[in-house]
Formats: sequence, structure tokens, C-alpha cells
Amino acid sequence: GQNIDQPTEMTATEGAIVQINCTYQTSGFNGLFWYQQHAGEAPTFLSYNVLDGLEEKGRFSSFLSRSKGYSYLLLKELQMKDSASYLCAVMDSNYQLIWGAGTKLIIKP
Amino acid sequence: IAGITQAPTSQILAAGRRMTLRCTQDMRHNAMYWYRQDLGLGLRLIHYSNTAGTTGKGEVPDGYSVSRANTDDFPLTLASAVPSQTSVYFCASSDTGQATTDTQYFGPGTRLTVL
Repeated sequence: GQNIDQPTEMTATEGAIVQINCTYQTSGFNGLFWYQQHAGEAPTFLSYNVLDGLEEKGRFSSFLSRSKGYSYLLLKELQMKDSASYLCAVMDSNYQLIWGAGTKLIIKP
Repeated sequence: IAGITQAPTSQILAAGRRMTLRCTQDMRHNAMYWYRQDLGLGLRLIHYSNTAGTTGKGEVPDGYSVSRANTDDFPLTLASAVPSQTSVYFCASSDTGQATTDTQYFGPGTRLTVL
């Protein structure tokens, strides 16, 4: 079957760095997406990886290892506004997204 | 309109009633999607459409139907609502639905409670 695993909840301190991991097993692979979702709001696109390696976008970076079925989202210089859920999604062979349950990130002052 | 709009924002519905959730996008995207989001679960695809006039079933299509008469609108209908359909429903769209770089953009969601 298809499976996306990510931690349910993480806590970090303002100004620090946090890494959110995602492992996947899917039927085919056409890329991995990270979305941010604030409570009560819609998911918004953060990053996309299709090749192995690190993609950097400001304070956020995303890494992919296709051979290991593994990705992580790295958030630097954490701000209180980064408190949100972070969703990992894999595009399968039919170009449909398979979603993880999300990681709720709590930022403490 | 900018992006994707959904209506209503929230709704309380008696079991057995019929309900249509509306979704409109102004980005001229070919592909549109309906998801439901439940606590502790990932977004689950209900139905999708890769172009006007065509629709397909997702992971959890039972009890739901969709239509795609034009590019902009993609309504979701619950023919006879049941309590297990209590959820937050998100509509999304993407450029083609057939490309690896296709990013999905989401509407604000509809919170539906079936009693």
C-alpha cells in the first residue's frame, strides 16, 4: 500500500532550527511537496523536490533522498508565526498527491 | 475573485439531506480536486477533474458526486448526508493535473457538520 509517515507533533524554541522528517512508500514517484497549514486555514505550498538533494528557499530548506524514501523540511531562525502544521505529500505515478497526516509544530518563546 | 473560493464557509446539516459545496477558481487551471481533512489523517482525495467535461474518482468517492461543466467551477454534492461525512472539505486546483511540477493551490475550506 501507499504510506507517508511524519511525526505527529514537534516543539521548538523561537530562533532555533527544527527538522521535520517524512518517509514514504508509494506506487511511483513524481516528486515530493511540503505544505504549511495554519490552524483553521488552507494548506499553502512551501517546496517541491523531484531530484535528490537540498532545495533552499529563504529560511526553509527541503531535502530528498529517493533511494531511502526520505525527505526533511528544515526551518531556520524560527519565528512564532511558524507555528503550524507541515504536510508532506508525494505525487504518485498517476500524478495524484498522497498526503501524510501532518506534523504540528509548536514554537515556544 | 483571486485564486479559489469555496462556499459555504461552514454548514450544519441534518442527516439524509442533500448538500452541494461550491468551488470556483479564476486561475484558468485545467485540474481541480476535492479533498476531505479529518483529525489525525492526511488529506484524502474524493474526486478530481483534469479538464472540463471529465471527472475521476479518488481514494474516498462513496457518497459524493461531482461535475465539471466549465473550467472555473467544480461543485461537490452529497446526495444524502451521513454523520461520517462530517469533515473539513478543501477544493484545490492545479495547472494540468498531468505534470510532475504541478502545484496544487487550495481554497479556504468548508467545515461541514452532519447531525
